[in-house]
Amino acid sequence: DAGVTQSPTHLIKTRGQQVTLRCSPKSGHDTVSWYQQALGQGPQFIFQYYEEEERQRGNFPDRFSGHQFPNYSSELNVNALLLGDSALYLCASSLGQGDEKLFFGSGTQLSVL
Amino acid sequence: AQSVTQLGSHVSVSEGALVLLRCNYSSSVPPYLFWYVQYPNQGLQLLLKYTSAATLVKGINGFEAEFKKSETSFHLTKPSAHMSDAAEYFCAVGRGGYQKVTFGTGTKLQVIP
Repeated sequence: DAGVTQSPTHLIKTRGQQVTLRCSPKSGHDTVSWYQQALGQGPQFIFQYYEEEERQRGNFPDRFSGHQFPNYSSELNVNALLLGDSALYLCASSLGQGDEKLFFGSGTQLSVL
Repeated sequence: AQSVTQLGSHVSVSEGALVLLRCNYSSSVPPYLFWYVQYPNQGLQLLLKYTSAATLVKGINGFEAEFKKSETSFHLTKPSAHMSDAAEYFCAVGRGGYQKVTFGTGTKLQVIP
């Protein structure tokens, strides 16, 4: 049973560029949440997707956007990258919006130079 | 608003000694509380969760946590530390039905042989 998979594992970008991160949820899960984990910090909630719509959003600017596909996989897009966007980006999946138990992927380490 | 505060960013214990990681929460409604563990270069794994049932919650790998409403605490304990317990531990608070789980800043546990 495949768990949550994220790609790529590492990414290096320069300021001003755009980036797309991908996530495949655990088999059978239909809800995906994205978190940003800066070095030495806890994960910060970015947004949640369920039924291909953004359902919840944390305190992140509109440069952060996402998408969920019919097969429940998801993308996180960040435009106009800033140095401060350097972080580990974690995807978490669960079954149904009412299930508080999250399964996390290993993350994508984004470095912005 | 909901939040958690983890006391101590680094904790060191000897192998076989008691592990105690502290977490205090703030929530305007009865909280759901979680402990997650993160090993290097990996995502977060759920250790245990409290969802208003028994106040003493048992998790995986011999960990347990006690919900104390009067102290707004949810400390994580393990009677005897093992080398494999060395990791970073995150306390988190959320409310069932949504996945806007709010994480603490984490506590790195070092186990000394």
